[in-house]
Amino acid sequence: QITLKESGPTLVKPTQTLTLTCTFSGFSLSTSGVGVGWIRQPPGKALEWLALIYWDDDKRYSPSLKSRLTITKDTSKNQVVLTMTNMDPVDTATYYCAHVRRPCSGGSCYYYFDYWGQGTLVTVSS
Amino acid sequence: SYELTQPPSVSVSPGQTASITCSGDKLGDKYACWYQQKPGQSPVLVIYQDSKRPSGIPERFSGSNSGNTATLTISGTQAMDEADYYCQAWDEGGVFGGGTKLTVL
Repeated sequence: QITLKESGPTLVKPTQTLTLTCTFSGFSLSTSGVGVGWIRQPPGKALEWLALIYWDDDKRYSPSLKSRLTITKDTSKNQVVLTMTNMDPVDTATYYCAHVRRPCSGGSCYYYFDYWGQGTLVTVSS
Repeated sequence: SYELTQPPSVSVSPGQTASITCSGDKLGDKYACWYQQKPGQSPVLVIYQDSKRPSGIPERFSGSNSGNTATLTISGTQAMDEADYYCQAWDEGGVFGGGTKLTVL
């Protein structure tokens, strides 16, 4: 059974760096074919993909946020950490981590999210 | 940047068929998937690789993708299907549609 859970601060001040941890079970990031991604959702708004990391250390970032994001994995702890610098009130959102699948066909691959954590609400305010 | 467009809302009567569209440039050349999100809950994958259903998703959920449009179809819609639905594709990064609120009335 795959489960994921997000943890981190619920409140950060503008300009601070946010560090979120995804702790998961039911799979290992040292196993071929799996990954973990981060997605956020501002209150009342749509989902927005942020970043993902795959078992082979393939890392992908949202082009619009790439300069502010870093994703890392600790396979021994079954954790993935996302850092986002220079937080702003517009970054207030529920942040989800999710298990990633990467099917490939004809030389191209795509990613989707088949198991999601419960999400953690992060508020950016002074 | 790549964009996916969904209608903000769709209404359907119980037992009828609901269709939710997702439009994007040459979307049919990519794979699309769909997520269901009920209020206060995390998204749930209901369709992946255009038309595949994950284990545990009812057969009334189906998907297609051709040209510039992917479609999520819910046959025999039930009250429990009332939710927000998001399409997602991959184009140099993950892209979500703006979401469609499905109302069953």
